[in-house]
Amino acid sequence: NAGVTQTPKFQVLKTGQSMTLQCAQDMNHNSMYWYRQDPGMGLRLIYYSASEGTTDKGEVPNGYNVSRLNKREFSLRLESAAPSQTSVYFCASRDLAGGQYEQYFGPGTRLTVT
Amino acid sequence: GDSVTQMEGPVTLSEEAFLTINCTYTATGYPSLFWYVQYPGEGLQLLLKATKADDKGSNKGFEATYRKETTSFHLEKGSVQVSDSAVYFCAPGGSNYKLTFGKGTLLTVNP
Repeated sequence: NAGVTQTPKFQVLKTGQSMTLQCAQDMNHNSMYWYRQDPGMGLRLIYYSASEGTTDKGEVPNGYNVSRLNKREFSLRLESAAPSQTSVYFCASRDLAGGQYEQYFGPGTRLTVT
Repeated sequence: GDSVTQMEGPVTLSEEAFLTINCTYTATGYPSLFWYVQYPGEGLQLLLKATKADDKGSNKGFEATYRKETTSFHLEKGSVQVSDSAVYFCAPGGSNYKLTFGKGTLLTVNP
């Protein structure tokens, strides 16, 4: 049981390049999330997917798109990377069954945009 | 929407000192409350949780009590170790699919 996995672990992009961050979970969770973490800002929600087939904007969605490919996988795409998107990106999943609301996090992707 | 006010760090303690990290929240309804810990270079891990008023969550010597009347969930540990050095996040969350995270408190424990 790997939990939440993310690829890649590190990435360097040039301004204007595109890339997709991958996330998968093997816990059969319904909800999945993408966050970014910047120094002094805590975690900010980019997008989330409450269940397979739905996605919603979070606090900071501009410049990002997401795809809930199936129940296991939730990808984050940067169409035209900007230096302001340099950050650490975390994927998380959650299952609301039985009132257990905690989220489980992946190890993160450290992205630098030059 | 929900919000969290968490004690800002950094907090620096000597080994075996007592730790308190304050957390107060505003939330609609009756949320569950969580403390997460992030060790250097890693993702967030659930440290402890409480799901109703007066519940005490505990793990690895850390404790926090759900205080509905003061909307607080302060984290405490009686004797910290160097290995407790990490960033700690308070987060209320409920059935609205989202958690709201505080900005985090960096704890450094010196030997």
